[in-house]
Amino acid sequence: DTAVSQTPKYLVTQMGNDKSIKCEQNLGHDTMYWYKQDSKKFLKIMFSYNNKELIINETVPNRFSPKSPDKAHLNLHINSLELGDSAVYFCASSQDQETGWNGYTFGSGTRLTVV
Amino acid sequence: GDSVTQMEGPVTLSEEAFLTINCTYTATGYPSLFWYVQYPGEGLQLLLKATKADDKGSNKGFEATYRKETTSFHLEKGSVQVSDSAVYFCAQTGGGNKLTFGTGTQLKVEL
Repeated sequence: DTAVSQTPKYLVTQMGNDKSIKCEQNLGHDTMYWYKQDSKKFLKIMFSYNNKELIINETVPNRFSPKSPDKAHLNLHINSLELGDSAVYFCASSQDQETGWNGYTFGSGTRLTVV
Repeated sequence: GDSVTQMEGPVTLSEEAFLTINCTYTATGYPSLFWYVQYPGEGLQLLLKATKADDKGSNKGFEATYRKETTSFHLEKGSVQVSDSAVYFCAQTGGGNKLTFGTGTQLKVEL
């Protein structure tokens, strides 16, 4: 069983389109994240949800909107796609605990290409 | 604010060479420190961690020691293999178990 699964793995779309990326975790974790990784491998946090509540919302265009229908899911919807949105998007999750924290578990990524 | 600085890559080594990837952190308090590895086409995987000063994290032949006096967490391996070729990320915890990542260091190991 995949712990953090993202779909689709690849997404090629035209400028101006609206698209969604889905993420599900079966680890029972409390917090989920979206990261954007650019072509130089730099990782930038976009959003974080804890038990369906938004807790981190970095400086991201409002064309990006996260949705968390329940604790195990965090989807990312992108409106009016632009060329600069091309990147790999990673979903991650983590458990809330005071000690012995093991960091994040990442999905395998969604490579978005806007043409 | 909190930040993590890693040596720039790519680092290119011959198989069986010794590896060091430098990482320094700036944080208030006592963060936990992590190394993640990203193999081509995959997501990041936890490689090792250390939660307090002088702790040594180790896994798959890799080691890193939490050095509070130098605010460092350098990654080392005594003998690298071609299969170790990947991008390595150093990270520290901030408030609320938020991870701050370094910029990543690409390692290429050649025969």
